[in-house]
Amino acid sequence: KQEVTQIPAALSVPEGENLVLNCSFTDSAIYNLQWFRQDPGKGLTSLLLIQSSQREQTSGRLNASLDKSSGRSTLYIAASQPGDSATYLCAILTGGGNKLTFGTGTQLKVEL
Amino acid sequence: DGGITQSPKYLFRKEGQNVTLSCEQNLNHDAMYWYRQDPGQGLRLIYYSQIVNDFQKGDIAEGYSVSREKKESFPLTVTSAQKNPTAFYLCASGTGLDHNEQFFGPGTRLTVL
Repeated sequence: KQEVTQIPAALSVPEGENLVLNCSFTDSAIYNLQWFRQDPGKGLTSLLLIQSSQREQTSGRLNASLDKSSGRSTLYIAASQPGDSATYLCAILTGGGNKLTFGTGTQLKVEL
Repeated sequence: DGGITQSPKYLFRKEGQNVTLSCEQNLNHDAMYWYRQDPGQGLRLIYYSQIVNDFQKGDIAEGYSVSREKKESFPLTVTSAQKNPTAFYLCASGTGLDHNEQFFGPGTRLTVL
């Protein structure tokens, strides 16, 4: 059974800092990995998707990496801004390409 | 304007009542999904459908039912058999292919009074 862990559970940083969010998973037989952002009381916004054959994806100030052999992914956020404050969720696609298994998220606060 | 809509945003239910949550998508996606989110827990899959008139149970299907009569619509009914229905419910859609990227709606918060 796939298990997904995100560390840290919460993070508070000053504006402008570069930061790394971590995601680990137990079963390397994955289709892809998605990083999402969730604002309080809202739905999920897809940030980046890494296919199982890829090692990283970039979008603006965000860079996500995938190392299947070690069961790890990182989300790198450059030059953080207060608008980046949200919960970041990592999800692994398994189960015949239909089942997303989620971590519990990292709650990020970027302070002025 | 393509996307996924869920209604209502907030829903209150008395114990013993069935309620139906709406999910509509205009992304022309074959697959649709229902997840439940509880504080301190990751999202959990309730039901999913890969094609019209077909659906499969997820990890926590007990006390829930779905239908998929149209490609665009995947309503979720929370029945009185669901013991702890108060939660945030999220609908998603995707291509359903091997490298399926899923897109989420804004959610419905259900509270049982």
